[in-house]
Formats: sequence, structure tokens, C-alpha cells
Amino acid sequence: NAGVTQTPKFRVLKTGQSMTLLCAQDMNHEYMYWYRQDPGMGLRLIHYSVGEGTTAKGEVPDGYNVSRLKKQNFLLGLESAAPSQTSVYFCASSYSPTGINNQPQHFGDGTRLSIL
Amino acid sequence: DAKTTQPNSMESNEEEPVHLPCNHSTISGTDYIHWYRQLPSQGPEYVIHGLTSNVNNRMASLAIAEDRKSSTLILHRATLRDAAVYYCILRAISNFGNEKLTFGTGTRLTIIP
Repeated sequence: NAGVTQTPKFRVLKTGQSMTLLCAQDMNHEYMYWYRQDPGMGLRLIHYSVGEGTTAKGEVPDGYNVSRLKKQNFLLGLESAAPSQTSVYFCASSYSPTGINNQPQHFGDGTRLSIL
Repeated sequence: DAKTTQPNSMESNEEEPVHLPCNHSTISGTDYIHWYRQLPSQGPEYVIHGLTSNVNNRMASLAIAEDRKSSTLILHRATLRDAAVYYCILRAISNFGNEKLTFGTGTRLTIIP
């Protein structure tokens, strides 16, 4: 049981290049999330998904797109990378949360992305 | 959204109890108090959560003030592996399934051997 797996773990891009970060979970979770973490700012939610085929904007969605074509995968895309997108990106997933269900979020180990 | 306030950093000696405080004076009646921690070079990890009553699990205890405006995460016997950034998070739960977590900057806990 791998939990949440992120690929790649590290990547260096040039300004203007595009790339896709992949998140895969094997826990049959409905909800998936993408966060970014910058020094001194904690984690901020970029986009999230409440089920296969759905996506929604989080706190800092600009410059990113996401897709959830399969329940177990959540992709984060950068169409035209900018230096401001240099960050550590974390994916998380959680079980369906209806009502007062407090299922925790399970996180991957992150993707370290540098934009030159 | 209600916010939390935590000290930037704390130190504790190995094998001693650690009390990590969190203030949340604007907490609403439907906010649960969650704690996560992040070890170096890893993603955050769920620790514990509660609403009104104190809670215990294998990792830690959560003590919640009677007025719910503050809480304390208690590590009963700190080890070097507990060195991490600890986040206190308020999580609003509704019938629409609002699952978003809002992370602050947390408390960096250093364990002294």
C-alpha cells in the first residue's frame, strides 16, 4: 500500500516551459488536493477535486490547471512556467467527507520544482 | 475563516513531555481543531483532531479549553523523531463536505538530545 505517490520528485524548468505533475493514490479516496509550500508561508491550496471528473479552485489557482480523469490520479499542469512558481508541491487525498466526517488528508512527499 | 496563532518555535528535551499551544479565539461552533505535523523533507502527517472534549491517540493528546478559544497538543514523551513543524488547523465541516485545510506557518519543534 503506497498511499499517495508524486512524480517526479525534483524538476528544473526554464521560464515558459510546460510540465505536468502526477499524483496517484491507492486508497480509493474521493477527494484529492494540490498544495504549494513556500518558505515562511505554510501550505496553500491550489486546486482540489471532490471526485472523478470534477475540479475546483483553491486559494492560489492562477497559472495552474488540473485534471481528474481517473479516480486514483490527479494531475497538476503548468502551461507556461514562471519563476514565481518555484516551490514545493504537495498532493493529498482523503476519503469522502460528507456531513461531519473528519477523515484526515494523506499527503505525498512532494515535488521540488525550480523555474529558472 | 477563523485563524489560529501558534508560537514560531519551541524547544524541548528528549524524553520529556511537550505542550504545543494554539490560540483560535474566533473559532465557530462547527470548527473542528486538527493538528498535522511535517517532518523534514516530507509531506504533512495527520496527528489528531477534536471538537470539544479532550482526545487521545497513539501519537498524542489534544486538550481543548472549555471556551474552545485555545487548545494544546501534548506529546507525552518527546523523541528525536518528533522534531517537526506542527500545524494547528481549524476545519469547517458542513453538509456540503468542505474539506479544505488552511495551513498557517506552524510551530517548529526542536528536540534537544
